[in-house]
Amino acid sequence: GAGVSQTPSNKVTEKGKYVELRCDPISGHTALYWYRQSLGQGPEFLIYFQGTGAADDSGLPNDRFFAVRPEGSVSTLKIQRTERGDSAVYLCASSPGPGRATGELFFGEGSRLTVL
Amino acid sequence: QQQVKQSPQSLIVQKGGISIINCAYENTAFDYFPWYQQFPGKGPALLIAIRPDVSEKKEGRFTISFNKSAKQFSLHIMDSQPGDSATYFCAQYPGDSGGSNYKLTFGKGTLLTVNP
Repeated sequence: GAGVSQTPSNKVTEKGKYVELRCDPISGHTALYWYRQSLGQGPEFLIYFQGTGAADDSGLPNDRFFAVRPEGSVSTLKIQRTERGDSAVYLCASSPGPGRATGELFFGEGSRLTVL
Repeated sequence: QQQVKQSPQSLIVQKGGISIINCAYENTAFDYFPWYQQFPGKGPALLIAIRPDVSEKKEGRFTISFNKSAKQFSLHIMDSQPGDSATYFCAQYPGDSGGSNYKLTFGKGTLLTVNP
């Protein structure tokens, strides 16, 4: 079946611009995660959704970052007033959710964001 | 954020050799300690995971050893192959015993190079 799909795969923008990154999780997965990965580093947690609600947004670095998942499936990560330090690969992952939690998250290939 | 400390940062092994990567954790309140493998341009993928009530788990050439008293766990790759060249991340995952916290926390990664 289809895996986690992320678009765009690459995004180049200018400092100060607004960016949206989209994630389409595996069908039936209720849990959805966003991570950020800088070069040579491990994935850094940003936010976790269970269904439509953000169960844990403690990893969002500041109020320029926001994510939504209005219908409990597709999610969009929104970054306002982008800064050069936001340049990274943004990874989305999904998992079956509570009651079936095994530590296996299924990751997409990521959206590489470059802020000039 | 709870951390897992991973070492070494990079590792070079000859084909057929044993690759060993170590991780140390702080908190025992986790259900799973997984290892993820990441190839360039791809998202991380689960390789193998262990629960803290088990001292060792083996899947093919990959073995996790878990030392609960020392709060350490390690990944052993036997008969390492050039195709194993990738970045490996240890992680910790609270699972269903973590209340509402289903956050997967990664180490900083180990870049493994297996020379032919």
